[in-house]
Amino acid sequence: QKEVEQNSGPLSVPEGAIASLNCTYSDRGSQSFFWYRQYSGKSPELIMFIYSNGDKEDGRFTAQLNKASQYVSLLIRDSQPSDSATYLCAMRGRQAGTALIFGKGTTLSVSS
Amino acid sequence: GAGVSQSPSNKVTEKGKDVELRCDPISGHTALYWYRQSLGQGLEFLIYFQGNSAPDKSGLPSDRFSAERTGGSVSTLTIQRTQQEDSAVYLCASSISGTLSSYEQYFGPGTRLTVT
Repeated sequence: QKEVEQNSGPLSVPEGAIASLNCTYSDRGSQSFFWYRQYSGKSPELIMFIYSNGDKEDGRFTAQLNKASQYVSLLIRDSQPSDSATYLCAMRGRQAGTALIFGKGTTLSVSS
Repeated sequence: GAGVSQSPSNKVTEKGKDVELRCDPISGHTALYWYRQSLGQGLEFLIYFQGNSAPDKSGLPSDRFSAERTGGSVSTLTIQRTQQEDSAVYLCASSISGTLSSYEQYFGPGTRLTVT
């Protein structure tokens, strides 16, 4: 079983809609979770991180974490064509400061 | 402020040659990570440096890969006797160690390595 799983997509949504990106993980001891956005040919950029169960909102982005069910999601409200990118879910294990484990990413396409 | 920088941005080499990739982390960041991303694949962890501690080399795919970090700052990833399967984008990231909120990793622009 892969440690971090994401649906590769593509996920297609119309402009203005809510995009929902999901990620599941296998290690119950994982403590922290990150969402990175990667435009084609560019390096990943951090958009959200979440450590506690529940929701965390930042502008149009909301990260949701459910440790009991071992999933983390990212909601993008009022999706824009500029949100079209690959979204990478990553987790860190029990030990702080260790390397991130990434999923393969979900490609999002927002049509105008 | 300045972000993570990497050089070269692109490297084409012949199979069997050695290559060196450089990473300059964000000033003050004590943790440095190397990842690689092959076409259509996720990021694969290679090696992690934290301050003056022994590096975590658990992700290195073979003994042809090595890395060092001099003076707790700049890091060099060396690939000896390159193979075509080494072709990938090699990404470096850095983070501050200390408080939980500062464990986010920031990535450099990457080095695209092509082995012909």
